Amino acid sequence: RKEVEQDPGPFNVPEGATVAFNCTYSNSASQSFFWYRQDCRKEPKLLMSVYSSGNEDGRFTAQLNRASQYISLLIRDSKLSDSATYLCVVNILPGGADGLTFGKGTHLIIQP
Amino acid sequence: EAQVTQNPRYLITVTGKKLTVTCSQNMNHEYMSWYRQDPGLGLRQIYYSMNVEVTDKGDVPEGYKVSRKEKRNFPLILESPSPNQTSLYFCASSPQGVVGAGELFFGEGSRLTVL
Repeated sequence: RKEVEQDPGPFNVPEGATVAFNCTYSNSASQSFFWYRQDCRKEPKLLMSVYSSGNEDGRFTAQLNRASQYISLLIRDSKLSDSATYLCVVNILPGGADGLTFGKGTHLIIQP
Repeated sequence: EAQVTQNPRYLITVTGKKLTVTCSQNMNHEYMSWYRQDPGLGLRQIYYSMNVEVTDKGDVPEGYKVSRKEKRNFPLILESPSPNQTSLYFCASSPQGVVGAGELFFGEGSRLTVL
């Protein structure tokens, strides 16, 4: 059974703060992991892939914990423009895109 | 410009009137997929296609048909739309054969209302 779980939020966070949220997945055979960002009424867009060793892209850090089967996203020095829904995506198959499973998303609101 | 184009972007129709939502990509991607997004349910896959003439059901295929006669096009057909198909629909594409590939390129979405 495909299952990816996220806290839907909303997370209300003051501008400049650090915020983190997790995503748990049930299939231990999951191969690859991603965070997508979706602005209101727009299409999802890839934010970053999540590598086993963890990875950072500017203010964003993604981590993978295979033992506990979760991935995390940390946003430092949050900006108003970070307000969006963040979708956790897990691929249960090696390569390709046909095994992708989307979480329902975590809604983040950055407040001035 | 590399893109996935969906049409129409907005449509209001009535129960039972057949409609087609077109999807076209100009990136020569092998893989294409349709999703619907509903409040509280997230993105759910309707159908996907690994390549020309190869299509498979996703999680919620009932009431929908697709075809993949050309690599660039992947239309979604609602033969007899019903109100429970009112939703926001996204088409997406991706290159195949890239290890760990998870980047889907989405169209801008088609908001469908069935009365």
